[in-house]
Order: sequence, then C-alpha cells, then structure tokens
Amino acid sequence: SQQGEEDPQALSIQEGENATMNCSYKTSINNLQWYRQNSGRGLVHLILIRSNEREKHSGRLRVTLDTSKKSSSLLITASRAADTASYFCATDRYSSASKIIFGSGTRLSIRP
Amino acid sequence: SQTIHQWPATLVQPVGSPLSLECTVEGTSNPNLYWYRQAAGRGLQLLFYSVGIGQISSEVPQNLSASRPQDRQFILSSKKLLLSDSGFYLCAWSQDRIFRGSPLHFGNGTRLTVT
Repeated sequence: SQQGEEDPQALSIQEGENATMNCSYKTSINNLQWYRQNSGRGLVHLILIRSNEREKHSGRLRVTLDTSKKSSSLLITASRAADTASYFCATDRYSSASKIIFGSGTRLSIRP
Repeated sequence: SQTIHQWPATLVQPVGSPLSLECTVEGTSNPNLYWYRQAAGRGLQLLFYSVGIGQISSEVPQNLSASRPQDRQFILSSKKLLLSDSGFYLCAWSQDRIFRGSPLHFGNGTRLTVT
C-alpha cells in the first residue's frame, strides 16, 4: 500500500514562478525524502528531512515537515524549464529499518 | 565513486516467457538493494529488498522472484511472464539502513513490455 500521497497530481506553472508540492503519509516515520524523475529515467535524490526537523533548504529547494499532520511540502523557487519532471516523496516506516515507500508523484511542467 | 548498472534498457517479451533483469553496483560494499516497479504515470511499487547476500524480503506476492548471488548483484526473475508484468523496473541501492537517512541511488531502469 502507498505510504505517501502527493498533491497535486499535476502542476503547470510559468517559468520564474514558485512551485509547491505536498505529500501526506500515514504512519510514523524516521525521515522523509524527496526525489525527482525525468521522463523515462531513474529517480534522483533531492533532499532528506528527519522527523525531528521542521524545515530544510538546499539551493532553490525548501522542504517542510509537520509530523503532527503527517505531511510535508516541497517548494521550488524561481522555477526553470529544466525543473520539468515528476517529484516523489518517500518515507521509511518507524517499524522497519530498510523499507522506503514512494508516493504517486506530482508531474511538474514549467512553461517557458 | 559509486555507480549502478541496470540492463537491459528495454525488453519485449511474450507472455509465458522467462525473465531475468540484472543490476550491479560498483564502488561500495554491502549495499542495501531494491527492486521497484513503476506503472505508466504512477508511483513506485516496492517489489523486493535485500540487506545482504541471500537475504531477500518480498513485498508483493506475485510471479516474480529476486536473488542476490553476490554482494553487489541483484537479479529479478520470472519463470512465466504475465501481461500485468509490463512496466518500468528500477533497481536502487543505499549505503546504510533507510531509518538512518541513507538515500536511494537508482539505475536508469528497464522498460519491460509483455506482449
């Protein structure tokens, strides 16, 4: 079963605008990760946030985590055409040391 | 540096034929290894993971199996493919246990079409 679910399923914005994607999950976690997937390729790790962290930054990426609401958001600022991709959140399970479960993803399209 | 190799990139197989997808990791030892399947436009479904040689955990009951004959080699197999086995298969590795925050590193995937 899916642990994480992203919202929205698809997002189209103008280049230069900010893009926000949300992720909700069901069970307690140790950490949450965000990945990016270009069409037909493998996933690339973007950023990880631990359960005791509330916010984390990496370049144009900002991730927040609210464990009380079991939700996370990924903000991409000043979007570029090259940001067009699918974005997935992934969570471990507090009860399992090695499993990581992915959500269904958000397809982001950046219009030039 | 570490690299992951997954092959073949694309595969077209008839229903009922066997399957063998191979994944190898270089530049690290004792990695955790994973097989995921992705249906078109969907998320990733965890199929198998392995924390060591000969240790395989299966997540979804199906006609697929996995083996880890060597430390850095992970093989996905089927004796008889079904139409529903079509999809994009991704192999991944991590250096440490996931709960410690170790990220996954993915191969470029195998596009399997069962006809």
